[in-house]
Amino acid sequence: AQSVTQPDIHITVSEGASLELRCNYSYGATPYLFWYVQSPGQGLQLLLKYFSGDTLVQGIKGFEAEFKRSQSSFNLRKPSVHWSDAAEYFCAVGVITGGGNKLTFGTGTQLKVEL
Amino acid sequence: NAGVMQNPRHLVRRRGQEARLRCSPMKGHSHVYWYRQLPEEGLKFMVYLQKENIIDESGMPKERFSAEFPKEGPSILRIQQVVRGDSAAYFCASSPETGTPYFGPGTRLTVT
Repeated sequence: AQSVTQPDIHITVSEGASLELRCNYSYGATPYLFWYVQSPGQGLQLLLKYFSGDTLVQGIKGFEAEFKRSQSSFNLRKPSVHWSDAAEYFCAVGVITGGGNKLTFGTGTQLKVEL
Repeated sequence: NAGVMQNPRHLVRRRGQEARLRCSPMKGHSHVYWYRQLPEEGLKFMVYLQKENIIDESGMPKERFSAEFPKEGPSILRIQQVVRGDSAAYFCASSPETGTPYFGPGTRLTVT
C-alpha cells in the first residue's frame, strides 16, 4: 500500500527566507504526486502536481517541487516566503483506481512565518 | 466554473442524531471522494463514488456511515446516530477521469 511521510510537523521561517518542505512517498509504480495547502478553517487548495514528464514542476504562488525517483521524494520549495504563506501543507500520492484518483496524504507540515 | 460545493459549512448535532453532508462536484467531474480530518490529524480517505456506484469504501467505518452519489443531485455522506468521536471536518473532492482532485471548503461537524 502507498504511504506518504512528511517528517517535519512544524517549520518556522523568517519572511523573505527560502523554504523547503520535505515529502517522501512509498508506492510501487510511478506515482501521481500533489501538494495542497490549507489555511485555518478552510479547504485544501492545490499548489502543484506531478503526473509525468519534467521532474521540476511549477505551481501557484511561486512554489515549485522536484520529483526525485531515486530518493522517493517530492519536496516543495519557495525561494522567498511571504507572511501569507503561513498555513498547513499536505503532500499526497494518488493512485488511479476505477478511473478515479484516490489520494493518500501525509500528516502535514505547519508553516509559521516570522516577520 | 464553480468549484466543489459543500453544505452545510458547519453542522451541530446532538449525540444520537443523524448528520447529512452534501457535496456538488465541479462541472464535468464524474468522480467524488470523501475525506475526514480529525483534530490535529491529516486527511483520511473514506469513500470514492461515481454516479450511482460506490467504487471504493475501504476507509468508511463499517457501521453508521453511508454514502451515495445519485444520478441526479449531490453526493451525500450520511452519519447515523452520531457520537462525539464523529466530530471532525469532512471534505469532499471531485475529479475528472484519472484527473486531479479538487477539494471543497469542507463541513465542520460538531457533536454535542
